[in-house]
Amino acid sequence: DAGVIQSPRHEVTEMGQEVTLRCKPISGHNSLFWYRQTMMRGLELLIYFNNNVPIDDSGMPEDRFSAKMPNASFSTLKIQPSEPRDSAVYFCASSNQGGSYEQYFGPGTRLTVT
Amino acid sequence: QQPVQSPQAVILREGEDAVINCSSSKALYSVHWYRQKHGEAPVFLMILLKGGEQKGHDKISASFNEKKQQSSLYLTASQLSYSGTYFCGTESGSYDKVIFGPGTSLSVIP
Repeated sequence: DAGVIQSPRHEVTEMGQEVTLRCKPISGHNSLFWYRQTMMRGLELLIYFNNNVPIDDSGMPEDRFSAKMPNASFSTLKIQPSEPRDSAVYFCASSNQGGSYEQYFGPGTRLTVT
Repeated sequence: QQPVQSPQAVILREGEDAVINCSSSKALYSVHWYRQKHGEAPVFLMILLKGGEQKGHDKISASFNEKKQQSSLYLTASQLSYSGTYFCGTESGSYDKVIFGPGTSLSVIP
């Protein structure tokens, strides 16, 4: 099994630009989570999907952030426009049946907004 | 509400034991434990469910006190490979989201 795949692994962009992060969950998993990790705020849940439907997006910081899951094997997290305070490592994770099961994390995307 | 973890950091010599604590102000359905090494993604260690069920790791044990809304992770005979940041995550209901604590940094030295 290839595990959770994220791309790109590193992204450097200028303030105001659009950023799109991509995630491919483990085949057969029906829950997908997007997290943001910073030194100051730790590991924050941004949004999670179950069977491709957003279940809880209360962690999405503001309207500049949006996430989609058009099918069971692909999800995107978009930031438009990006700001320096969005700099962080963004992790995607997947699991079977939601929160009560182990989550498998992808390698993360390190985003730097200058 | 983010769970509280203690201690914030601990340094051990190989072979020593450690306990990491996690507590929540909300009633809990489950507690999750993950370990993250520097520059890597968090890796699952264990889930403890309300009612006593556990799913997890052979070499690490944990307890879950539902009444006190607390969990503890027990690392015995620590190895160098145990170094990393340990996160607890709490879930208040079945299929609810997991909220992670701030982490406990564990360093094992020879």
